[in-house]
Amino acid sequence: AQRVTQPEKLLSVFKGAPVELKCNYSYSGSPELFWYVQYSRQRLQLLLRHISRESIKGFTADLNKGETSFHLKKPFAQEEDSAMYYCALTSIGNKLVFGAGTILRVKS
Amino acid sequence: DTEVTQTPKHLVMGMTNKKSLKCEQHMGHRAMYWYKQKAKKPPELMFVYSYEKLSINESVPSRFSPECPNSSLLNLHLHALQPEDSALYLCASSPGHGSGQAAYGYTFGSGTRLTVV
Repeated sequence: AQRVTQPEKLLSVFKGAPVELKCNYSYSGSPELFWYVQYSRQRLQLLLRHISRESIKGFTADLNKGETSFHLKKPFAQEEDSAMYYCALTSIGNKLVFGAGTILRVKS
Repeated sequence: DTEVTQTPKHLVMGMTNKKSLKCEQHMGHRAMYWYKQKAKKPPELMFVYSYEKLSINESVPSRFSPECPNSSLLNLHLHALQPEDSALYLCASSPGHGSGQAAYGYTFGSGTRLTVV
């Protein structure tokens, strides 16, 4: 079965500290992986796609097929990064399946 | 226009009411989706429309009835809902729903916050 696991419900860091939000997946085929972000009272937004290998707002994510991981990283956290972050993959039938989400709190 | 627009933003309805949620996009996307999101939980897929045809129904109760009048519009008709159906209902779209389209990701609307009393 297709599954996305985000082991941390809450990650709290100080401003300027590095951030790593963990995501592991199980999928029998070649998955398409994404990170979505939901800021307070705002819509769910696409942050990163693994296929584009881009850096958005200082965040990067590398697909590691050996470890079946797609961790989200940022070298220096900012207060405005505080939000809910969802890792997601497109599974059989191209359904977008979400992990449980990790709340990132950046403290000043 | 790069947005998915949902109306209304908030809806309160009684258990005997009939209401509809609306979703619109003008990005030329050919796949549209309904998701349900409870507080502090991830969105859960309800329905998928591909080229205006229902392609996936995730075993959603019949009190939820989707409709896709054209390629830009998606409706969700509600009837005889229960209090546990109270949630944020999200609409999303993507360029397509076939092989090769999955890599683009979905664009989400801001949702309709539904309260059933």
